[in-house]
Amino acid sequence: DAGVTQSPTHLIKTRGQQVTLRCSPISGHKSVSWYQQVLGQGPQFIFQYYEKEERGRGNFPDRFSARQFPNYSSELNVNALLLGDSALYLCASSLAPTRSNEKLFFGSGTQLSVL
Amino acid sequence: AQSVTQLGSHVSVSEGALVLLRCNYSSSVPPYLFWYVQYPNQGLQLLLKYTTGATLVKGINGFEAEFKKSETSFHLTKPSAHMSDAAEYFCAVSKSGGGADGLTFGKGTHLIIQP
Repeated sequence: DAGVTQSPTHLIKTRGQQVTLRCSPISGHKSVSWYQQVLGQGPQFIFQYYEKEERGRGNFPDRFSARQFPNYSSELNVNALLLGDSALYLCASSLAPTRSNEKLFFGSGTQLSVL
Repeated sequence: AQSVTQLGSHVSVSEGALVLLRCNYSSSVPPYLFWYVQYPNQGLQLLLKYTTGATLVKGINGFEAEFKKSETSFHLTKPSAHMSDAAEYFCAVSKSGGGADGLTFGKGTHLIIQP
């Protein structure tokens, strides 16, 4: 079975642009979470989605948004990119949001560079 | 609010020696605690977790950790280091019962194995 897949693996953008990152969860998993990992830091929680609804949000500005589709895949959008948005963006899937943090499966991430 | 402190951004041990990676947490509610490993250019893999019950938790690859409530600690150990253990290790905490607040990660400890 395929694990969590993310695309693209690498991306280069310039300041002010917009970016969309994509994630496909493990088959059967209905919850998707997004994390931002800045170089040298631990991942930081951005969003959790379940059944196409936002169930949780971390301390990120409104420039960050996400959505989940009927097939449970998800997109993370970031508008008006800043240099500080350069990071590895990780997607994680789980069976359900309740007690979901007990077993998160992470993808390999999308490395975003903002120039 | 929850937080995690990992003592030592870099830890170096000889192959075959004891591995000890330190983690202290702060949580206003009973926590769930996790250790994740991240190899270069990869996502995070769950090593072990504490939710409830036995405070000594065994994980994959010979790692184990002990939850000590009185010390608010969850240190990771392995009796004998192997070259393949070289990686970045993250301690994380979440509210018990999961929920939609995601995981709070420490800054990570880079484990170096000397031949």
